Parts: sequence; C-alpha cells; structure tokens
Amino acid sequence: QVQLQESGPGLVKPSQTLSLTCTVSGGSISSGNYYYSWIRQHPGKGLEWIGSISHSETTYYNPSLKSRVTISVDTSKNRFSLELTSVTTADTAVYYCARDIVRGLWSYWGQGALVTVSS
Amino acid sequence: DIQMTQTPSILSASVGDRVTITCRASQSISSWLAWYQQKPGKAPKLLIYKASTLESGVPSRFSGSGSGTEFTLTISSLQPDDFATYYCQQYSGDYTFGQGTKLEIK
Repeated sequence: QVQLQESGPGLVKPSQTLSLTCTVSGGSISSGNYYYSWIRQHPGKGLEWIGSISHSETTYYNPSLKSRVTISVDTSKNRFSLELTSVTTADTAVYYCARDIVRGLWSYWGQGALVTVSS
Repeated sequence: DIQMTQTPSILSASVGDRVTITCRASQSISSWLAWYQQKPGKAPKLLIYKASTLESGVPSRFSGSGSGTEFTLTISSLQPDDFATYYCQQYSGDYTFGQGTKLEIK
C-alpha cells in the first residue's frame, strides 16, 4: 500500500521560501506512470492544486502559482519536494502531497502539513 | 481556467435521507469529474471519478451522474459516517476543485 508523508518547517517568515518534502513508501517513485502532486488547503477553505511531477521530472504547475513554485523529485530517496518562494500570509495552509491513479485523480494522500507564514 | 461551483454550500440532513449535491463547471469538461469526501483533520478521500465510476471500496449508496457542465453526487441513504465535506474536482484541464459542500446533521 502506497503511503506518503510530508515533512518540513511548520513556520516560515514572509518573503522567505517554503520548502516541503514528501517521502513515498510502499512503492517506488520510479515505477509506473504516476504523477506526484502538491495540493494545499487554506484554513477552513477549499482545495488548490499547486503542481505535479513525474519520475522523469516532467512538471505541471498551477498557472496562478507557477512563477513561485518548483517541484523536484529525488528517485534515489523515493521522495519529491516543493519550493514556494516569496511567501506571504496568504500562503498559510495545510499542504498535502498526493499520488495519482490517472493524471489529476488522487487516490493516495499524505496526512497534510500545516505551514504558517508569520514573522 | 475552469471554475467549479458547488451547491449548496451547507446541507443539513438526517440519517436515512437521500441527498444530492450539484457541481457546475464553467465550461464543458466531458466526464472528467471526481468527487472527494473530507473529514476534519484528514486528507480528502476519492469517492467517484469519471463522473459516475465508484472508487474501489466506496459504498454503493454513493453515486454520481452528469456530463458536460452539470454533475451531481447522490447519497441514497445517509449513514452517520457520511457527515463530512464533499468536493468536486475537474481534471479536464488544469485541476480545480469546487468550494465544498458541508453535509451536517439536522
């Protein structure tokens, strides 16, 4: 059974870079034609797709965040990462990592990591 | 980008009720529509994809229908475990979610 686990700082200062890592267990990132994604949820609000990456490093980003987002993959460590630059308080959210079963359809999710942007 | 609009935002119902949630897309998405269930403090759970296909393990009281721009999620007989927030999501273009429908106990 595939499992995902987010890790990273829970507090980031405004204007700095938010960095999170998602470690995948129960299956190799290198196998299958899956995409690994980051999705966030502002407190008490709905869900927002941030971007996705394949094991061959093909990436797709939400146009509204594209200028600030980088998603990378490390197949040797079976994990992928998110960097979001120039954060503001509007980036405070629970950040989920997820794996799809078909592009854009997420069946496997991490438990979520709350990241607060505050000075 | 494609906007998804869910109605209602809040739905009050009782155990045993039949309930329907509607999701509208700002442009045609064919049948590229999924429904998720989310409980407080938990990640979303995929219930239905391709508008009407039930994910493995999801109870048959859940059903989905629609195509193009209008879709519905129906729960035929509400169970206590079904009180949660439901989101529709399109995967026709860049991926977007509806704002959610909170299903609460009447």
